[in-house]
Amino acid sequence: DQQVKQNSPSLSVQEGRISILNCDYTNSMFDYFLWYKKYPAEGPTFLISISSIKDKNEDGRFTVFLNKSAKHLSLHIVPSQPGDSAVYFCAASIVSSASKIIFGSGTRLSIRP
Amino acid sequence: EAGVAQSPRYKIIEKRQSVAFWCNPISGHATLYWYQQILGQGPKLLIQFQNNGVVDDSQLPKDRFSAERLKGVDSTLKIQPAKLEDSAVYLCASSLGDSPLHFGNGTRLTVT
Repeated sequence: DQQVKQNSPSLSVQEGRISILNCDYTNSMFDYFLWYKKYPAEGPTFLISISSIKDKNEDGRFTVFLNKSAKHLSLHIVPSQPGDSAVYFCAASIVSSASKIIFGSGTRLSIRP
Repeated sequence: EAGVAQSPRYKIIEKRQSVAFWCNPISGHATLYWYQQILGQGPKLLIQFQNNGVVDDSQLPKDRFSAERLKGVDSTLKIQPAKLEDSAVYLCASSLGDSPLHFGNGTRLTVT
């Protein structure tokens, strides 16, 4: 039972354009969402997060949008740069219960020149 | 600050053998996690420690996997005996309070 789903295994975007990575979840109790970035042979690194009390959080070139009614979140990267080429994982948790963080299967983003 | 340290980086064993992985979390991080990442999938939590106590081990295959964090600092994860389907990257992570997880670079296990 996949509670966090990333339906696009890969995405290719031209350098300088916007990258949009999508994530859907099924558990309405999730109230904290995170995006992690992973380079080959390295562990995932935290990128940006959003609490369910917000619908948008921005950090430089990265913005995460949350649509609670649709149980959907997205990560926007503007403008995309070559160093953004990596695997991006969406993750979710229930903060109040200190429950485990559930990860999606990841989307491999490739930025082409 | 120094990151989460894991060793070894790579390990190749035959099925039915045993293997152990080691993790040293970021200093001061009370919570330690072991995740299993199978190729093409996201990390899956195996066990979560708070200091030296287990918070969640519901997805740990306890017939073959064991983990300990005796002094509330570093931790070991053991598999005995290994199966082919245990081939994966084993990631250790640590956190302080509600802060995001900091991951190590993982141990890539290949079971032949």
